[in-house]
Amino acid sequence: DGGITQSPKYLFRKEGQNVTLSCEQNLNHDAMYWYRQDPGQGLRLIYYSQIVNDFQKGDIAEGYSVSREKKESFPLTVTSAQKNPTAFYLCASSATDTEAFFGQGTRLTVV
Amino acid sequence: GQSLEQPSEVTAVEGAIVQINCTYQTSGFYGLSWYQQHDGGAPTFLSYNALDGLEETGRFSSFLSRSDSYGYLLLQELQMKDSASYFCAVRDQTGRRALTFGSGTRLQVQP
Repeated sequence: DGGITQSPKYLFRKEGQNVTLSCEQNLNHDAMYWYRQDPGQGLRLIYYSQIVNDFQKGDIAEGYSVSREKKESFPLTVTSAQKNPTAFYLCASSATDTEAFFGQGTRLTVV
Repeated sequence: GQSLEQPSEVTAVEGAIVQINCTYQTSGFYGLSWYQQHDGGAPTFLSYNALDGLEETGRFSSFLSRSDSYGYLLLQELQMKDSASYFCAVRDQTGRRALTFGSGTRLQVQP
């Protein structure tokens, strides 16, 4: 089945740690995105990539980093510089500008 | 920048019709999308309007008025399973090919 896989589903981070969230897609989509969702809020764009080896900052990129070495993969690293990382993280991909497909999300909690 | 406004919560009864409005401010408008998200789940695509008018997909319809920077999602014959959050989203300004989402409308369907 084609789709987007995010892992892990739940992640706990200690203060000062970097953690990496995985996002893999087998839809052959060029574009991939990372969004952050806080309780009762909409989705805010962290980073996006339209093509391999290229990515751009979104609205809330500070404290995050990404890479796009393969078409299928777009991992997100939450660094210690991100002061309030507890949130629900959603990865998406798209082949057009009209429809995005989302993974099931990673819920990150700082302990 | 871009901004979208939608009501935070709407309540309706099973079998009824409900309309969720969305007004937007954006440069370089390309189209308005709607997504559904159940609690803890991934957003899923519902509809897209690039031109003025009504698009119908089964029980769901979406309307766009570009001159009014306004759109709505119409849900007919409401079912309990329609209880979810609904987000409108716009394609960003020219050169930034990513969706900007509204803060979402939580729909509660009551028996």
